[in-house]
Amino acid sequence: GIQVEQSPPDLILQEGANSTLRCNFSDSVNNLQWFHQNPWGQLINLFYIPSGTKQNGRLSATTVATERYSLLYISSSQTTDSGVYFCANKLIFGTGTRLQVFP
Amino acid sequence: EAGVVQSPRYKIIEKKQPVAFWCNPISGHNTLYWYLQNLGQGPELLIRYENEEAVDDSQLPKDRFSAERLKGVDSTLKIQPAELGDSAVYLCASSFSSGEQYFGPGTRLTVT
Repeated sequence: GIQVEQSPPDLILQEGANSTLRCNFSDSVNNLQWFHQNPWGQLINLFYIPSGTKQNGRLSATTVATERYSLLYISSSQTTDSGVYFCANKLIFGTGTRLQVFP
Repeated sequence: EAGVVQSPRYKIIEKKQPVAFWCNPISGHNTLYWYLQNLGQGPELLIRYENEEAVDDSQLPKDRFSAERLKGVDSTLKIQPAELGDSAVYLCASSFSSGEQYFGPGTRLTVT
């Protein structure tokens, strides 16, 4: 079946550091989204990015549909960035990257 | 603009009891989704509605789970009877024509 793989599974950063999260998917891209699940469980939309590059403040994302991957960049990380980051393609979610940012 | 609304937020029931979850999507969104999320995992799709029609329910355990979206707006997901393994967070999402999804806060179900 369709698979969505995320890496790394866990990431620990000090405040101010930059990071790159990766999402590989086995099928063609359709409705690729990145979400942040905060400690209270709410899934927050970050990017809807079936192709190309988008930026929103300290976050940006790039999807290369021909190579079936997407990247999420977090710059100058803050403690409020902590949580789990999910990507989803064709309604299939990856297992997430758990990010912890320490002051 | 109001987001996706779900109720209740928390529910504790004994096994073999029935339970129902309610979802009201974002106004104007014709596509509605129910997901199940187990601890430490990503959400898994249970059922997707386009207006009133269930267009993808292949992952819905039909022996005990049922869902309805009678007027193409709000939706109800039911479990009867509940089992211990049904303890999870049940998430509802909506979108306009299968586009970008927006999620509600979820219902955390505990079956004892």
